[in-house]
Amino acid sequence: EVQLVESGGGLVQPGGSLRLSCAASGFIFSPYWMTWVRQAPGKGLEWVANINQHGSENYYVDSVKGRFTISRDNAKNSLYLQMNSLRAEDTAVYYCARITVSGTLDYWGQGTLVTVSS
Amino acid sequence: QPVLTQPPSASASLGASVTLTCTLSSGHSNDKVDWYQQRPGKGPRFLMRVGKGGIVGSKGDGIPDRFSVSGSGLNRYLTIKNIQEEDDSDYYCGIDYGTGREFVFVFGGGTKVTVL
Repeated sequence: EVQLVESGGGLVQPGGSLRLSCAASGFIFSPYWMTWVRQAPGKGLEWVANINQHGSENYYVDSVKGRFTISRDNAKNSLYLQMNSLRAEDTAVYYCARITVSGTLDYWGQGTLVTVSS
Repeated sequence: QPVLTQPPSASASLGASVTLTCTLSSGHSNDKVDWYQQRPGKGPRFLMRVGKGGIVGSKGDGIPDRFSVSGSGLNRYLTIKNIQEEDDSDYYCGIDYGTGREFVFVFGGGTKVTVL
């Protein structure tokens, strides 16, 4: 069974940092692009960042460029999101998801809540 | 980039049918979109992909037959027949508009479906 389990969320002050993790199991992790998608409270889904199979290519939504870094460790079947210079508008549930070759997000985790507030 | 527009809400009585609409912005009539279901407090779940001609590829794991899709012009539809209590969820359409090796995603605003 494919499972994606996020962790690392919490309450952080504006300007602070947080590192999210996503543990993958039930499939061979290394061949897949992976992504982070977030959802502000009561709002819709917003794509945040992607990373390719090897970690050599990554893409970000404009609002997080220069502040967030996506990475992965294929040996540990894990995906990460380093978030720096956090702002109130980054408050959201962050989901990791697997990307198929056709660009579908076929499996998602349950999410981890990040709250940026003083 | 494409814009996906969804009505904010829809409702149907238990056992009835409901059709949700995702409208693509002008110039994107050949694009395919993915439908996702999000139950309260849960992560999204992939349902299926739809193009102008209907379903593209296979449904997501465990998706019941009462979920179906169709397409026409700029609209992509998700129909739920014999709606059940567990279908009370938010439904999002999404699209990958990456131009090559990369993937870039955008989602509609979502439709909240209430089962009466």
